[in-house]
Amino acid sequence: QKEVEQNSGPLSVPEGAIASLNCTYSDRGSQSFFWYRQYSGKSPELIMSIYSNGDKEDGRFTAQLNKASQYVSLLIRDSQPSDSATYLCAVNMANQAGTALIFGKGTTLSVSS
Amino acid sequence: DGGITQSPKYLFRKEGQNVTLSCEQNLNHDAMYWYRQDPGQGLRLIYYSQIVNDFQKGDIAEGYSVSREKKESFPLTVTSAQKNPTAFYLCASSIDQGTASNQPQHFGDGTRLSIL
Repeated sequence: QKEVEQNSGPLSVPEGAIASLNCTYSDRGSQSFFWYRQYSGKSPELIMSIYSNGDKEDGRFTAQLNKASQYVSLLIRDSQPSDSATYLCAVNMANQAGTALIFGKGTTLSVSS
Repeated sequence: DGGITQSPKYLFRKEGQNVTLSCEQNLNHDAMYWYRQDPGQGLRLIYYSQIVNDFQKGDIAEGYSVSREKKESFPLTVTSAQKNPTAFYLCASSIDQGTASNQPQHFGDGTRLSIL
């Protein structure tokens, strides 16, 4: 069973703090990793993609990938109330040519002002 | 503007009725997908299509059907065989899934389906 696991939360952080969101996946051969943000009642919005081990930064967001540990994380620096949303981790599993992404259930982030 | 358009935004189904959800994209993407999202749950794949006139079942295809007659369009029919259709339905597309699958998926705004 190919799985993507996330803590459901809620993760509560004060405004200006760093929020750390974590995701583990079951397939060691996975190649592509994505983070989506989903506001309540809305559709998911792509915020980060990462394909190689290490860190990838984009503004206040940093994605971190460790394929040996089968772990991908998202750091949000200087968290704002507008960052309050559910964050979905999505992974493309190896040996599933042409298949869609496997999504975790999401972590709900709450940023208090 | 390029994007993915889903319609209607809200849909109500009567007992024993088939309903069709529309998904159109003008991004020139090859691959299209349908997901279902239940409250507090992640996205579950219903069907996907990599090219015109071809599509594959996802994890929860029972009670659903699709067609891909045009590159731009990938409608989803929720049949009367789907006994628990109430959910948020999301259509997505990507450039080309292929074997590398490095391309992210982009989503439409979704359709909320409820039973009357």
